[in-house]
Amino acid sequence: GDSVTQMEGPVTLSEEAFLTINCTYTATGYPSLFWYVQYPGEGLQLLLKATKADDKGSNKGFEATYRKETTSFHLEKGSVQVSDSAVYFCALSDRQGSGGSYIPTFGRGTSLIVHP
Amino acid sequence: SAVISQKPSRDICQRGTSLTIQCQVDSQVTMMFWYRQQPGQSLTLIATANQGSEATYESGFVIDKFPISRPNLTFSTLTVSNMSPEDSSIYLCSVEGESKSYGYTFGSGTRLTVV
Repeated sequence: GDSVTQMEGPVTLSEEAFLTINCTYTATGYPSLFWYVQYPGEGLQLLLKATKADDKGSNKGFEATYRKETTSFHLEKGSVQVSDSAVYFCALSDRQGSGGSYIPTFGRGTSLIVHP
Repeated sequence: SAVISQKPSRDICQRGTSLTIQCQVDSQVTMMFWYRQQPGQSLTLIATANQGSEATYESGFVIDKFPISRPNLTFSTLTVSNMSPEDSSIYLCSVEGESKSYGYTFGSGTRLTVV
């Protein structure tokens, strides 16, 4: 079945450091790929997405490129801020459930802690 | 994208009791999803709720433990029944986008602690 593997956290960085959170996936079809962010005490928010190979999703300075050849969707940011401290989830959407809906598969999440 | 209001945001409950979590969406949606997020873990889908029909439960989850209601296209409830400490988790509702490439919108979550 489909699966998503993320690097384990926590990832601890100083402000303005470069961030990479690795994500690889396995899927039987041709999934769409997502990064979600969960700030403390809140639900998940869609951060960015990519729907086909070589697409680059970007938002709030974060980027991720859909690499079909390496089945990866690594999240990057050139200069992190304290306010980026959160848990980041990689996800794919490919499995069709009842009623024709698509059900996402999530990674375990990677906690990012940014120090001033 | 849809906006979801979920409540309560947190609760502390005695074992053996039940808690009902509500999600209200600001637009009509066909499918709503309920997830559990255990401490330090990823999201696990509990069930899919379609208006006017029985919810579809994932492996490991049963209706007697997690009854779901979906009375209309903007509202759903999840009840955690006969709770034990192992039910302590964050519970989230979600609605899908228009296609598999659209992404999902989540409620803010309910942090449940069972003592």
